[in-house]
Amino acid sequence: DGGITQSPKYLFRKEGQNVTLSCEQNLNHDAMYWYRQDPGQGLRLIYYSQIVNDFQKGDIAEGYSVSREKKESFPLTVTSAQKNPTAFYLCASRDFQGGGNEQFFGPGTRLTVL
Amino acid sequence: DAKTTQPPSMDCAEGRAANLPCNHSTISGNEYVYWYRQIHSQGPQYIIHGLKNNETNEMASLIITEDRKSSTLILPHATLRDTAVYYCIVRPQGGSEKLVFGKGMKLTVNP
Repeated sequence: DGGITQSPKYLFRKEGQNVTLSCEQNLNHDAMYWYRQDPGQGLRLIYYSQIVNDFQKGDIAEGYSVSREKKESFPLTVTSAQKNPTAFYLCASRDFQGGGNEQFFGPGTRLTVL
Repeated sequence: DAKTTQPPSMDCAEGRAANLPCNHSTISGNEYVYWYRQIHSQGPQYIIHGLKNNETNEMASLIITEDRKSSTLILPHATLRDTAVYYCIVRPQGGSEKLVFGKGMKLTVNP
């Protein structure tokens, strides 16, 4: 089945540790996105990438880093510099070249920093 | 900031039509209206989008007023699985890279 996978679904880390969240898609989409969602809130854009080896900061990029070495993969690292990392993280992709505007979302990773 | 206004919540009886309103009075001529929904603890799911004509797909219908300042998402026969937070978003086709999600509207379908 085509889609976006995020792993793990739940992740626990100690304060001060970096942690990398996985996002993989087999939809052949060019664009990929990372959002953060806090309880009762909408989604906020962290980073996005329209093409391999290129990415742009979103609204809340501080304390996060990404890479886009392969079209299928867009991992997000939550660094120790992120002051409040506990949140629900969502990855999405879009068929940018095809002109479609719908973003397809993965199931999310819930990160808890203890 | 989100350019849309939705009521915070709505209830609907199972099997009845659910009409979800959205105000977007500052919408620009090149902006589309998109609807997504998010079931608890899952990623958002695309539902439908439109510019000015009414649209229908297998999930829902979208009715946009003639002045485009508001729209209504219609779930014709709501089921318990339609309970979710529904987001109304406006954005240009192929424009800005981000989807601006507000707080959305919680639809609860009751048995």
